[in-house]
Parts: sequence; C-alpha cells; structure tokens
Amino acid sequence: QKEVEQDPGPLSVPEGAIVSLNCTYSNSAFQYFMWYRQYSRKGPELLMYTYSSGNKEDGRFTAQVDKSSKYISLFIRDSQPSDSATYLCAMSLPSNTGKLIFGQGTTLQVKP
Amino acid sequence: DVKVTQSSRYLVKRTGEKVFLECVQDMDHENMFWYRQDPGLGLRLIYFSYDVKMKEKGDIPEGYSVSREKKERFSLILESASTNQTSMYLCASSFPREAKNIQYFGAGTRLSVL
Repeated sequence: QKEVEQDPGPLSVPEGAIVSLNCTYSNSAFQYFMWYRQYSRKGPELLMYTYSSGNKEDGRFTAQVDKSSKYISLFIRDSQPSDSATYLCAMSLPSNTGKLIFGQGTTLQVKP
Repeated sequence: DVKVTQSSRYLVKRTGEKVFLECVQDMDHENMFWYRQDPGLGLRLIYFSYDVKMKEKGDIPEGYSVSREKKERFSLILESASTNQTSMYLCASSFPREAKNIQYFGAGTRLSVL
C-alpha cells in the first residue's frame, strides 16, 4: 500500500463547477500537507499548504485536512478553464532531509 | 522569487550515450532533488542531496548517478542511457530549516532515448 493515495482521474467538469480533489494517507506522522498544480509540460508549483486539521482558504481554493480520517481535500469554487492541470498532493515528515511524499496526481479538465 | 533552472527542456539521445542533466537554483537552498515523472506512476525520487558533495539514494537510483560540487548546482547523470529512461525529469530545491519542506521545481527536461 502506498503511503499517499490519489485518484489519477481524469476528472472533467463544466466551467463554474465546484471541484473536489482528494488524497488519503497512512502515516499519522505527516506534518505538513501541500497541494501542487502542474500545467502541461511544466514543473509543479506550490498552490497551498496546511499544517493542522481544518480549512485554509485562498481565493477560489480551499484546502482541508482531516487528520483523524487521514484525508485531505482541495476544493476549487467557480472552476475556470485555466484551472485545467494536474493537481498533486504532497506531505512532509518532521525531518531535515526535506523529502516530500507525493500522490500520483489528479488530472483536471474544466470545459468552457 | 525562487528560480530553479534546468538546462534543457527537451533532449533526444541514443541508447548507450552518457547524458548529463543540469539544474541550478538561485535561493541558496541546501536541499536539491531529482525526480522522474511518468504517466500512471507519478513523481519518483531518484536522488537527493542535502549539502555540497553529499548525496542520498531515492526510490529508483539504478542507472543514475549525481554530482553536487557547488551548492547551487545539482547534476543528474545517466551513465549509459536506455530506452526505459525516456521520461520527464524534474529538479527541485528546498530550504532544510523550514519544517514544511516546500520544494520548488524547475520546468522539467523531457528526455527521449532512442
């Protein structure tokens, strides 16, 4: 079993829809939870990160962490065609190696 | 802004060639990483380095080596390229004293081995 599980999709939604992207994990020691966005033929870029259970909002994006269920989510409100990308969840352990454990990534397409 | 620069966006090499992929970061980060990304397999860590001349194997180091002679530069070497090393290669860097371990990525090098 992988430490971080993410449904690869693809996920296709109409413009304006609310999108929910999810990851589950098995290691309760994970400390920080991140979402990266990767456009086609580009490198991943950090979208948001959270530390504890709860919600964090940034514009149309909301990151949610439920440590009791070992489940994290990214919600996108009023989705736009420009949101079409692959979204990767990533998690860190308290260490100085700097390693992150990544989910496989979910490919999202928002249709106009 | 953090900038991680990979020397080539696209490379085409022949089987058996020695291939060098270069990565430079401008944020004085101690940690640097090399990943490969393949459809259906996600990001897989090849090697990482937490200081000059230091290196650690990641999950799939076979067929690769690395070099870190200067803090800002981390090179990935394919000693004898094979077709199964055709992939997207991503370099990243991070600041180790930051607990969240945010990694900053380059744009990637798409390598084709024929």
